[in-house]
Amino acid sequence: DAGVIQSPRHEVTEMGQEVTLRCKPISGHNSLFWYRQTMMRGLELLIYFNNNVPIDDSGMPEDRFSAKMPNASFSTLKIQPSEPRDSAVYFCASSPRWEGVGYEQYFGPGTRLTVT
Amino acid sequence: SQQGEEDPQALSIQEGENATMNCSYKTSINNLQWYRQNSGRGLVHLILIRSNEREKHSGRLRVTLDTSKKSSSLLITASRAADTASYFCAARLQAAGNKLTFGGGTRVLVKP
Repeated sequence: DAGVIQSPRHEVTEMGQEVTLRCKPISGHNSLFWYRQTMMRGLELLIYFNNNVPIDDSGMPEDRFSAKMPNASFSTLKIQPSEPRDSAVYFCASSPRWEGVGYEQYFGPGTRLTVT
Repeated sequence: SQQGEEDPQALSIQEGENATMNCSYKTSINNLQWYRQNSGRGLVHLILIRSNEREKHSGRLRVTLDTSKKSSSLLITASRAADTASYFCAARLQAAGNKLTFGGGTRVLVKP
């Protein structure tokens, strides 16, 4: 299995531009998570989906952030308009199941976003 | 303060020594997980211990869980330079659905 795939790996953009990050979870996994990691705030959960349905978006910083999961094999995280404080590494992770006592998460390599 | 707080924040040891790091959390959990992150990479799952388990082993890793103290520890025995990484605990809280709450991590440096 190729693991969780994220694109792009690096993104440099100017303030005010729209940024779209993409994620392909591991086939057969039905939970997907978006995280943001910074030195100051550590690893923060932004939103997660179970069976393509957003379950908890309480970590989404503000309305400039949106996430979609149109099917089981693809998700996007969009920032519009982007701001310098959005600079971070964004990780996507997937998990094989969501019910029961919980399972491990498999992380992608991350997208390093720099907003100038 | 955050759930899943690690202690210490940083650890420097010689190759061959053992490394121990601790994690505390505040509310009841379904399970607690440990992850490793090498610089510039994504997190890699190491081990999961359920709330009804007290100890678990995986290779050179040993994890303990004390639900009465709401704490867990990760021991890496006979450390190697390749173990240099940040280690995170992540709690699956009973009242929080399927999400994990990550701590701030322990940065481990293993000197050859």
